[in-house]
Amino acid sequence: KNQVEQSPQSLIILEGKNCTLQCNYTVSPFSNLRWYKQDTGRGPVSLTIMTFSENTKSNGRYTATLDADTKQSSLHITASQLSDSASYICVVSDRGSTLGRLYFGRGTQLTVWP
Amino acid sequence: EADIYQTPRYLVIGTGKKITLECSQTMGHDKMYWYQQDPGMELHLIHYSYGVNSTEKGDLSSESTVSRIRTEHFPLTLESARPSHTSQYLCASSRQATEAFFGQGTRLTVV
Repeated sequence: KNQVEQSPQSLIILEGKNCTLQCNYTVSPFSNLRWYKQDTGRGPVSLTIMTFSENTKSNGRYTATLDADTKQSSLHITASQLSDSASYICVVSDRGSTLGRLYFGRGTQLTVWP
Repeated sequence: EADIYQTPRYLVIGTGKKITLECSQTMGHDKMYWYQQDPGMELHLIHYSYGVNSTEKGDLSSESTVSRIRTEHFPLTLESARPSHTSQYLCASSRQATEAFFGQGTRLTVV
């Protein structure tokens, strides 16, 4: 069964600190993995997208890694800011169909305190 | 910035009413999706479309219906709203094998 599991479920950190969010998946055949940021009451916004051959990708203070062998990904946030408070969702796409199905994790709810 | 728009952003409506949630995108994407998301939970696919005149049911059973008469427009309709339909509805579009762009969502409350 294709699944995406994220940990931790929620995380509280102080402003300026770093943190790492985890994503494990069983989706096969794998196409790509994306990290989205979703502010409360809004739609998800893409942070990074990685294909099978990419190990790491950065977007400002966000750095995503992918280990396609172990089917694990992480999102590292550096020097956190209050505006980083949001839900971070790991989304894995398969290539077993024309649609390119998206499988969503439940997200990690990050809260940054001043 | 993604050019996909949903209206209304918030809707409170009485049981039994018919509602239509609008979704429009100006990127020329063929694929469009509707997701349902309860607070703190993952997104569940309820409808998708490959292109004009193409609509399919998603993973999560839904009493809603959709139509795709124009590439840029993918409205979702509930003929008779019930409290169990209270949720956030997210519309998205994509090109093949590229990232999906999401709208801001419609938060629906049925009282």
